[in-house]
Amino acid sequence: QKEVEQNSGPLSVPEGAIASLNCTYSDRVSQSFFWYRQYSGKSPELIMSIYSNGDKEDGRFTAQLNKASQYVSLLIRDSQPSDSATYLCAVTPNAGKSTFGDGTTLTVKP
Amino acid sequence: GAVVSQHPSRVICKSGTSVKIECRSLDFQATTMFWYRQFPKQSLMLMATSNEGSKATYEQGVEKDKFLINHASLTLSTLTVTSAHPEDSSFYICSVTRESSYEQYFGPGTRLTVT
Repeated sequence: QKEVEQNSGPLSVPEGAIASLNCTYSDRVSQSFFWYRQYSGKSPELIMSIYSNGDKEDGRFTAQLNKASQYVSLLIRDSQPSDSATYLCAVTPNAGKSTFGDGTTLTVKP
Repeated sequence: GAVVSQHPSRVICKSGTSVKIECRSLDFQATTMFWYRQFPKQSLMLMATSNEGSKATYEQGVEKDKFLINHASLTLSTLTVTSAHPEDSSFYICSVTRESSYEQYFGPGTRLTVT
């Protein structure tokens, strides 16, 4: 079992819809959780960080964390073609390096 | 603006030569930087953790004598690919981490092609 698992996709949603990206992790001591977006041929960029249970909203993005279920998700509302990218989930223990999932590729169709 | 710069963005070299890649933290001092490699359509692979003033920590399977890392200051880490071969052709990406939050900020990457 991988330490951080994501659905590989591809996930395809129509423009304007909600895209839901999911991530599960195995290390219960993990404290910090991140979502990164990577466009094809580019390096990843941080879009969300979440540290406590519940929801965290930033514009069209909402991160959800459930530590008991070892689950973190990212919702993208009103999806746009420009959201088409690979989304990487990363999990970090209290100190140290992050473990990345393999990523979910999202395609938003106009 | 950019938090991390990387130079060069693209390099083509002949087999057997060495290539140095620079990673600079522009916004804050970074005691820790990370070096990743990514092959086409594959996931990020952590190569090593670069620690300012001390030796880098390499991931299992990464040859430390082939991938030399120097973190000489709080804003600069370098990765040197020694005696490069075609199989070293890849996208090399550095990141800096904000210690207060563990957020990582990635450089724009260096695309290495070894002919």
